[in-house]
Amino acid sequence: QVQLQESGPGLVKPSQTLSLTCTVSGGSTSSGGFYWSWVRQHPGKGLEWIGYIYYSGSTYYNPSLKSRVIMSVDTSNNQFSLILSSVTAADTAVYYCAREWGGKYFFDYWGQGTLVTVSS
Amino acid sequence: QSALTQPASVSGSLGQSITISCTGTSSDVGSYNLVSWYQQHPGKAPRLMIYEVFGRPSGVSNRFSGSKSGNTASLTISGLQAEDEADYYCCSYAGNSIVIFGGGTKLTVL
Repeated sequence: QVQLQESGPGLVKPSQTLSLTCTVSGGSTSSGGFYWSWVRQHPGKGLEWIGYIYYSGSTYYNPSLKSRVIMSVDTSNNQFSLILSSVTAADTAVYYCAREWGGKYFFDYWGQGTLVTVSS
Repeated sequence: QSALTQPASVSGSLGQSITISCTGTSSDVGSYNLVSWYQQHPGKAPRLMIYEVFGRPSGVSNRFSGSKSGNTASLTISGLQAEDEADYYCCSYAGNSIVIFGGGTKLTVL
């Protein structure tokens, strides 16, 4: 059973950088065929796809966030990460990491989510 | 890319059937059989219910079914049960390695 767990600060100051890590167990970030993804959910709102990274390091980002997003993968530690720069209150959300089937674009395993609040 | 359009809420009585629609465009839902559906209970992570329009993951009840016609995909839940009360989101591939979600539908079981 694949499990994903997000970790990182729950509070970030405006204009600073949000940094989250997702640790994968029961599966490998170095296995082909899967994209390792980030999805966020603003309080009381719907889901928003942020982007994903392949084990090779190839990345694909939501165009609306592309200028502020960097994703990376650490296959040796079975982790992948999200960096979102120049955050504002509008970036306050629950951030989920998820496994996405490459080429099929659905998410079969999700982390429990972590709330990140942007506030001074 | 704009979010896919879902009704804000639907309701149905125990044992009845309901259908949730998900309307996109010819650039996303209409072009690819890559629509998925997720169930989300309050405070929980989304759960995959349907993939590739009508595929059902292991462990998901056969009361859940998916379909698509043109630019609109649909999720049907038959034999409504109390535990089906949740938010439901559709998701579609939109080309250029981009994925978009619907705005979500709150299902109330009466």
